Amino acid sequence: EDKVVQSPLSLVVHEGDTVTLNCSYEVTNFRSLLWYKQEKKAPTFLFMLTSSGIEKKSGRLSSILDKKELSSILNITATQTGDSAIYLCAVEALEGGYQKVTFGIGTKLQVIP
Amino acid sequence: NAGVTQTPKFQVLKTGQSMTLQCAQDMNHEYMSWYRQDPGMGLRLIHYSVGAGITDQGEVPNGYNVSRSTTEDFPLRLLSAAPSQTSVYFCASSWDREGMNTGELFFGEGSRLTVL
Repeated sequence: EDKVVQSPLSLVVHEGDTVTLNCSYEVTNFRSLLWYKQEKKAPTFLFMLTSSGIEKKSGRLSSILDKKELSSILNITATQTGDSAIYLCAVEALEGGYQKVTFGIGTKLQVIP
Repeated sequence: NAGVTQTPKFQVLKTGQSMTLQCAQDMNHEYMSWYRQDPGMGLRLIHYSVGAGITDQGEVPNGYNVSRSTTEDFPLRLLSAAPSQTSVYFCASSWDREGMNTGELFFGEGSRLTVL
């Protein structure tokens, strides 16, 4: 059974801090690892990672995949209150020739002024 | 461009009632799916479809039916609602990458269902 584990489950930081969110996975027929941000409603896509060691960056957010360690990290630098959200890690795998996406429980990040 | 549209946004049902959650996308995506999100459980896949006329079960399919008669629509039916189906439901779609569907999912805004 495919599994995605995120840590920590929740985190409270002050504005300006840097945070690192972790994701580890066990899947068969790995295709990609994805990060999503979920505020009050639907998750929104942040990154898709397919290759080890190549950092994806968007503003203050960055992420990298380690396929040897079956893990990924999501970094947020100079955090702002608008970064408060649940961050979901998901892994895409092939199953029976079709895509299957398995989500972790998420890390709840709260950024306080 | 509306993206993925789900209706209704909120619904309260009594045990044993049936209902349909509607999902429509206007991005011509082949892949559509339904997830439920519960506290401490994350997003769990209920059913998915890789194209019109093709559906398959996900992780938690019991108590739910789906059909895909068109590329745009993917309704989720609760046949006889139970309190365990109280949850937030998300419909999602994705596009093809290298001839396969991609994990970059586009989500609807969610439907909060309460079963009493």
